[in-house]
Amino acid sequence: EAEVAQSPRYKITEKSQAVAFWCDPISGHATLYWYRQILGQGPELLVQFQDESVVDDSQLPKDRFSAERLKGVDSTLKIQPAELGDSAMYLCASSLSGLFNTEAFFGQGTRLTVV
Amino acid sequence: GQQVMQIPQYQHVQEGEDFTTYCNSSTTLSNIQWYKQRPGGHPVFLIQLVKSGEVKKQKRLTFQFGEAKKNSSLHITATQTTDVGTYFCAANGSSNTGKLIFGQGTTLQVKP
Repeated sequence: EAEVAQSPRYKITEKSQAVAFWCDPISGHATLYWYRQILGQGPELLVQFQDESVVDDSQLPKDRFSAERLKGVDSTLKIQPAELGDSAMYLCASSLSGLFNTEAFFGQGTRLTVV
Repeated sequence: GQQVMQIPQYQHVQEGEDFTTYCNSSTTLSNIQWYKQRPGGHPVFLIQLVKSGEVKKQKRLTFQFGEAKKNSSLHITATQTTDVGTYFCAANGSSNTGKLIFGQGTTLQVKP
């Protein structure tokens, strides 16, 4: 069964350092989401791509976060510089077409700890 | 921005008891999805509701979408220990951009 791949699974970084996460969605999925989930809370949408274009990044802290999906396939989320409050699970999800509200498939996530 | 409120935050039940979680939005939704996240896992899609007043069943789970398309509920009959986890509703606003906003979730604990 096809899965959304994320790496790394775990990342520990010092504050003020740069960190990057990678996501490979299910083949053929046009919509890709990056979410941040703090323990005990629901996933918070950071950025949504439709193919290579950003559809929504209204909740992305653009002073330190950036996301790209250059060829409309895999995607990278970067934080620079990392802050203590960025410690969370970063989840990537993809769907066949978010615009037609098909189900979202989530990856295992990257657990980030900033020390 | 668009928000969905979910209650209760936690629910502890004895195995065999029923469980319900509610999701509410101040704005009309184009559709709503429900996900389950097991402890240590990632959200997994359960179902999508699109039509006003829609009711769907999956074995012991019953999902409802309100007539005004502003609220939804998930009801589990006769809970089992395998139902443990956090249940999230995820809403798509009426503009239907595919933006999926999650509620805070309801964490269900089931005592055997």
